[in-house]
This record gives sequence, C-alpha cells and structure tokens, in this order.
Amino acid sequence: AQTVTQSQPEMSVQEAETVTLSCTYDTSENNYYLFWYKQPPSRQMILVIRQEAYKQQNATENRFSVNFQKAAKSFSLKISDSQLGDTAMYFCAFYTGANSKLTFGKGITLSVRP
Amino acid sequence: KAGVTQTPRYLIKTRGQQVTLSCSPISGHRSVSWYQQTPGQGLQFLFEYFSETQRNKGNFPGRFSGRQFSNSRSEMNVSTLELGDSALYLCASSSTPAAEAFFGQGTRLTVV
Repeated sequence: AQTVTQSQPEMSVQEAETVTLSCTYDTSENNYYLFWYKQPPSRQMILVIRQEAYKQQNATENRFSVNFQKAAKSFSLKISDSQLGDTAMYFCAFYTGANSKLTFGKGITLSVRP
Repeated sequence: KAGVTQTPRYLIKTRGQQVTLSCSPISGHRSVSWYQQTPGQGLQFLFEYFSETQRNKGNFPGRFSGRQFSNSRSEMNVSTLELGDSALYLCASSSTPAAEAFFGQGTRLTVV
C-alpha cells in the first residue's frame, strides 16, 4: 500500500523568506506522480506543482520548486520569496495508475508572517 | 473554461436521512474522483470514475455509492446518514486518470 508522510504539522515563515515543506512516501511502484496541493481557508484545493517519477529533473513553477529524491522517496516543496497569500494548508499527494487514486499526506499548515 | 462545479455548497441533514451530492467536471474531462475530508482522518479517497465506469473504490461502507453519467457529470449518494459522515466532500476531475486533478470547492455536509 502507498503511504504519504508529512511529519511537520505546521510551520511559520517571514514574508519574503524561503521555506521548505517535507514529504516522504512509500511505494513499490516504479511509475507514479507526485503533487503538492494548496488549500487556503476558502477550502479550494489548488494544484501547486506536479512531478513525474520517471523525470530526474526537479519540477519548478515560478516561486515553487521541488527536491525529488527518488531513491530516498522524498519529495519536498520549496517556496521562495514567501507571500502572505501563501498562507494555507499544503498537501503532498501520490498517484499511481495501478490504484487510480490520489493518496494524500496529513497536510502541513503554513503561516506567512508580515 | 469553467472549473469543477459542486452542488450544493452546504448541506445540513438529519441522522438516518440520505443525501446526493453532484459534481460537474471541467468540459472535456472524463475522469472524476471523490474525496472525503475531515479534521481527524484527513483526505480519504471515495471513488474514481472514468467514462461511466467505476475504476476504484475506497474503504468506505456500502452506504456510500456513486455514479457517472454519459456527460461525465457525477453524483455520490450517502444513505442512512451518521454523525461521522459530517465532512467536506471534494470532487476532482482530470482529462485522463493520470493527468492533473482539478478540484471543486467542495460540499460541506453537516449531519445533526
């Protein structure tokens, strides 16, 4: 069974600084996808970034980038130049075609301080 | 392009009643998944449909059921509601099962 672990329940960062959110996963599959989703107080889940396991290059989307370590089964999210609007709950998620579902971690609450 | 639309947004039901939630996916998306979100259990997978076929079902009792129509719209039904069914129910659609999933704003169900 696939599992996703987000061990930090909450983090806080000063506006304009950089923060890294950790995520580890466990799977026996070789082909899978990893995601970070953001859920602000509005509860709308928003896709932040996506990584295909077969790609060695780390995905980047503007201020968001990942550090994907396949052998270590680690998938961390780095947010650069943090903004107040980044305040939200962040979920790491895993998808494999064999299970055809997203498996989510427990989430981490990120607060950006002005 | 319109996003994923879930109706209703809020619902209050009494124990023992049944409820039907609706999800209209993004136009052209044929895969629809449902998730239950609670503070205690987090996000848990309910079902996944692709082209009207249920491809996977999560570990929920038979009171939870769903279906997908030919226009890709999906409904989920919960019968004999229990207090523990109170949750945010999220629907997600994608063009194919492995593509990015886009979520609706959810239906907040409260069972009293």
